[in-house]
Amino acid sequence: GENVEQHPSTLSVQEGDSAVIKCTYSDSASNYFPWYKQELGKRPQLIIDIRSNVGEKKDQRIAVTLNKTAKHFSLHITETQPEDSAVYFCAASLYSGYSTLTFGKGTMLLVSP
Amino acid sequence: DGGITQSPKYLFRKEGQNVTLSCEQNLNHDAMYWYRQDPGQGLRLIYYSQIVNDFQKGDIAEGYSVSREKKESFPLTVTSAQKNPTAFYLCASSRQVNTEAFFGQGTRLTVV
Repeated sequence: GENVEQHPSTLSVQEGDSAVIKCTYSDSASNYFPWYKQELGKRPQLIIDIRSNVGEKKDQRIAVTLNKTAKHFSLHITETQPEDSAVYFCAASLYSGYSTLTFGKGTMLLVSP
Repeated sequence: DGGITQSPKYLFRKEGQNVTLSCEQNLNHDAMYWYRQDPGQGLRLIYYSQIVNDFQKGDIAEGYSVSREKKESFPLTVTSAQKNPTAFYLCASSRQVNTEAFFGQGTRLTVV
């Protein structure tokens, strides 16, 4: 089955800096890669996703890049703000059949004012 | 708030007892999922269902059971066979498998 590795497990940045979280996956057939944000005590929520026919996707301060050859994808947050502090999860899956999302173990991002 | 509701928010169980966690959605989603979240472990899939009256085991199904008698409901039973049941349980639904998943608020189960 699919295996997703996520790094780093914790990340501390100063407000205004950029943050990058990286994930690798094992199944070359995976073609859907979402990112979820979970604030303390709250439910995970989708912030951005990318499919394998695209190399990069942006949404305001958030971007995701995908390198299918190397089997890794990354989340980039620019101009970080304290409200970006949360746990971020990457995931990967096949977009077909009974395949489901396999999540990484999460990255705790702390943005200091 | 998201259209998917889990209850209760906190649950305490004595060892040896079965307990059922509720999950209801009004999003008309076909697919529903149960995840277990432990510190540093991410989200691990327990069971999922793509359609009514059908469900599949996930990565950590041992000691758990589910049913999907109605499209909007996907209850999870934590049985006494689950050796380490204390955890945060998240239910989710999606329009179909591998589209955006919407999560409930979670149930924190503590075995006492």
